[in-house]
Amino acid sequence: AQSVTQLDSQVPVFEEAPVELRCNYSSSVSVYLFWYVQYPNQGLQLLLKYLSGSTLVESINGFEAEFNKSQTSFHLRKPSVHISDTAEYFCAVSLFSGGYNKLIFGAGTRLAVHP
Amino acid sequence: DTEVTQTPKHLVMGMTNKKSLKCEQHMGHRAMYWYKQKAKKPPELMFVYSYEKLSINESVPSRFSPECPNSSLLNLHLHALQPEDSALYLCASSQAGAFYGYTFGSGTRLTVV
Repeated sequence: AQSVTQLDSQVPVFEEAPVELRCNYSSSVSVYLFWYVQYPNQGLQLLLKYLSGSTLVESINGFEAEFNKSQTSFHLRKPSVHISDTAEYFCAVSLFSGGYNKLIFGAGTRLAVHP
Repeated sequence: DTEVTQTPKHLVMGMTNKKSLKCEQHMGHRAMYWYKQKAKKPPELMFVYSYEKLSINESVPSRFSPECPNSSLLNLHLHALQPEDSALYLCASSQAGAFYGYTFGSGTRLTVV
């Protein structure tokens, strides 16, 4: 069975500091991995995704994630965070079953950026 | 158009009311989804439509009734809800076949009184 574990429920950090949000997955088959961000009172926005190819994927707002097959991880990093990065971040893995793709979400990590 | 539009954004309804949530996308996606999200929790899948056919019902109570009138629209009909059904209801869509992730709407915040 496929599942996702986000190791930290909350991550407090000061503005301009680096941050890493951890995500581990379990899967017996090839995986597609995603990071979604949810700002307060909003829906989920796709931050970045790993489908195949280069193990390092980047988003347009400075986040990056590295797919590590041996450690079954897909950690999200940013070298310098801003107050506006305060949000809930969800790691997700896809499961293809019954003719459709189902996203399985981790429990989420609350990133709180302080001035 | 790269958006999923959900209406209304907020809804307050009594336990005897009937209401509907609406979701619309014009990206040509043939798979559409309803998710329920409680506070401080990840989204939970409720229904999946693929090519306008209901593919998956994740054991959702019958007081929630989905409908897919065409490839661009997805409705969720609500009747006789309970206060514990209060949540953020999210609609999403994706391409069928090759998978590039979901596009989510901004959700409907539902409060049952």
